[in-house]
Amino acid sequence: GIQVEQSPPDLILQEGANSTLRCNFSDSVNNLQWFHQNPWGQLINLFYIPSGTKQNGRLSATTVATERYSLLYISSSQTTDSGVYFCAVIQGAQKLVFGQGTRLTINP
Amino acid sequence: DVKVTQSSRYLVKRTGEKVFLECVQDMDHENMFWYRQDPGLGLRLIYFSYDVKMKEKGDIPEGYSVSREKKERFSLILESASTNQTSMYLCASTLSQGIGYTFGSGTRLTVV
Repeated sequence: GIQVEQSPPDLILQEGANSTLRCNFSDSVNNLQWFHQNPWGQLINLFYIPSGTKQNGRLSATTVATERYSLLYISSSQTTDSGVYFCAVIQGAQKLVFGQGTRLTINP
Repeated sequence: DVKVTQSSRYLVKRTGEKVFLECVQDMDHENMFWYRQDPGLGLRLIYFSYDVKMKEKGDIPEGYSVSREKKERFSLILESASTNQTSMYLCASTLSQGIGYTFGSGTRLTVV
């Protein structure tokens, strides 16, 4: 099955810094998604981004499907951005295959 | 705002008990899913359903069953709870093609 790898596994930054999270996938996909899991466990869908670039406030994402990677950018980080960021792709009947996640800690 | 609601946030059950985890969505989504999340193992799919009364096994169905009697409700059943089923359980729903994937807030189950 498809493999999804994320880097870095952990990232610690000061408030106000910018960050880039990477997601590599082993096969062609057309349905990559980014999620944020907050410290209470809630998974929030950030982007559905099979290709191209999308922006939502301080967050943006770019997927280059032909090169099998996606990037999530967070600008001017805030402490509320802390948590685990997952990318995931759909395999088969709408089943999500998740990467292992990047744990982001934003210190005040 | 669309919602997936899981009935319990925290649950403590005894070994051997039958446990029901309930999930309700208000988005008229066809597809519903149960995942469990464990440290070091990530999120793994237990069961999913693409229609009422339909169910499919995911990657780790052993020890679990599901029920989908109505489109909006998808229940996960632990027939005889065991300590290795202590985990965070996450319900999700989506339209066809995987658009609009929405998760509930999770149920943290402890089996003692």
